[in-house]
Amino acid sequence: SQKIEQNSEALNIQEGKTATLTCNYTNYSPAYLQWYRQDPGRGPVFLLLIRENEKEKRKERLKVTFDTTLKQSLFHITASQPADSATYLCALASPIYYGGATNKLIFGTGTLLAVQP
Amino acid sequence: DTGVSQDPRHKITKRGQNVTFRCDPISEHNRLYWYRQTLGQGPEFLTYFQNEAQLEKSRLLSDRFSAERPKGSFSTLEIQRTEQGDSAMYLCASSFRIAGAITDTQYFGPGTRLTVL
Repeated sequence: SQKIEQNSEALNIQEGKTATLTCNYTNYSPAYLQWYRQDPGRGPVFLLLIRENEKEKRKERLKVTFDTTLKQSLFHITASQPADSATYLCALASPIYYGGATNKLIFGTGTLLAVQP
Repeated sequence: DTGVSQDPRHKITKRGQNVTFRCDPISEHNRLYWYRQTLGQGPEFLTYFQNEAQLEKSRLLSDRFSAERPKGSFSTLEIQRTEQGDSAMYLCASSFRIAGAITDTQYFGPGTRLTVL
């Protein structure tokens, strides 16, 4: 069955360090992958999208990599700040495998990041 | 605020009652999605609309659930005869998908937290 796994435990890091979050998937061939941030009681906020033919994407302090051979995406936050503390969700979509009709997202369970001052 | 809005933000109801949620997408977005999220899990796809047409429904969407998007703008999600297992955060997302494009960035609303007693 299709499975998306993110770091199961909370990630605690010191302010200023780089946080690296992992998203692994099995039995799935996504056309693209998105990362979202979610704060408690709020809806997910879109951060970055990376296509299957892209290796890396950057936006300010954020960087995403996508390795379709390893079936893995890594999400990096450099120079982390306490304000970066949140749950980060990985989401995959395979519209071409669903006949091009739907872009529904399949989400992982998320990783809770805590940045200590 | 030009983001996705949802109403109400919180709903407490007794088992067996009917509830209705509303979602107002970002203006001119042609796609609207509904997801459900339970504690500690990522959002799960329920259904989506392309303009006013409902194009896909998840198996999670039992006969007690119905969604509409009558004029291709706002959408409603109704749950009839609520059960305690329906307690969750109901999230709405919208996007503007260009015909023929692979990707479809979805922007989420704040969600409606449903508690069924």
